[in-house]
Amino acid sequence: NAGVTQTPKFQVLKTGQSMTLQCAQDMNHEYMSWYRQDPGMGLRLIHYSVGAGITDQGEVPNGYNVSRSTTEDFPLRLLSAAPSQTSVYFCASSPRQERSYNSPLHFGNGTRLTVT
Amino acid sequence: GENVEQHPSTLSVQEGDSAVIKCTYSDSASNYFPWYKQELGKRPQLIIDIRSNVGEKKDQRIAVTLNKTAKHFSLHITETQPEDSAVYFCAAPITGNQFYFGTGTSLTVIP
Repeated sequence: NAGVTQTPKFQVLKTGQSMTLQCAQDMNHEYMSWYRQDPGMGLRLIHYSVGAGITDQGEVPNGYNVSRSTTEDFPLRLLSAAPSQTSVYFCASSPRQERSYNSPLHFGNGTRLTVT
Repeated sequence: GENVEQHPSTLSVQEGDSAVIKCTYSDSASNYFPWYKQELGKRPQLIIDIRSNVGEKKDQRIAVTLNKTAKHFSLHITETQPEDSAVYFCAAPITGNQFYFGTGTSLTVIP
């Protein structure tokens, strides 16, 4: 298994440009999510999905869109990039929860995005 | 909603000493608490987790303790080694099997 694969690894955008960060997992996990990591702020949830066709907003969703047409893929779209979106973006997946307990996240290797 | 506070933000220890990182959470319904280790430039990786039906869990030099009454949980690393140097994150669950993360502790083990 490749696990969670993110592309690209690095990206530089100009303000106002749009792009899509790709995320794919081959573990047949139901849950997928996007987090951003900024210095001193830990990881913050942008959007998540509990299954194909279902998405919802996290803590910091503004400026981002997602879709989940298949179990494997969960792309993150930046509609009009802003310098405040300069960050490291991690995609994560996790299997169905066991009984009433959460299951741990499996992270991709991240995408480092710079918006100038 | 859930809120997690993590302390300290930085920690330096001599090789062989112990390190303790503490997190507090706000939602008394939370029942699962993972710890992640992130080396420089790498992705966060799960190192240990604990469910609310136990008070302590150990895995070799790493242990996690949970105090449900006080709503805090701690990571303990004994006999620290230079390769333990990294940023450590605690987390508590929110909706959709997602998590609210602490702000991280940068651990430096001095040889």
